[in-house]
Amino acid sequence: EDQVTQSPEALRLQEGESSSLNCSYTVSGLRGLFWYRQDPGKGPEFLFTLYSAGEEKEKERLKATLTKKESFLHITAPKPEDSATYLCAVQDATSGSRLTFGEGTQLTVNP
Amino acid sequence: DARVTQTPRHKVTEMGQEVTMRCQPILGHNTVFWYRQTMMQGLELLAYFRNRAPLDDSGMPKDRFSAEMPDATLATLKIQPSEPRDSAVYFCASGLVLPRSYNEQFFGPGTRLTVL
Repeated sequence: EDQVTQSPEALRLQEGESSSLNCSYTVSGLRGLFWYRQDPGKGPEFLFTLYSAGEEKEKERLKATLTKKESFLHITAPKPEDSATYLCAVQDATSGSRLTFGEGTQLTVNP
Repeated sequence: DARVTQTPRHKVTEMGQEVTMRCQPILGHNTVFWYRQTMMQGLELLAYFRNRAPLDDSGMPKDRFSAEMPDATLATLKIQPSEPRDSAVYFCASGLVLPRSYNEQFFGPGTRLTVL
């Protein structure tokens, strides 16, 4: 059974204070790892897909990296508008289009 | 701006009543997903369809939940009878799945269901 564990559960940063969120996963064969951002009262918003270990993707202040066991979402010089819950999900090569989500990291960036 | 739409956005009902949630996927997407999100369980996949055919409904309580795609522009999730434990936010997502591709899923705004 696929498992996704995100840490920390909650993270509070000062504006400009860079940090990283962790997503550890266990799958029989990784087809893809996905990062989403979710704002209160809204649906998850797609950020990145990573396919293989060593891959990196960037979008504004966010950079996602992938190893064989975990993924990191690095946030550089965050702003208050980066406050949200960040969700990680994996797609197993044997489970069709099913995504297994982690519990998320709730990020708060204070001005 | 293509996006997934869901109706209603909020629904309050009494235990035992039937609830129907609707979703319009992004035009051209061939796969539609239904998820449920609660504080306790997080985001869970209930079922998904490819080209309107159900592919996986293993996450869905079969006795009271049913999901259908009457046509390519409409997906429905029905609960009959509803129970208080069904209270959650229900999300629809859609994606374009092609052979040997990696398929992102795009989520709608959700239906917040409260069963009293």
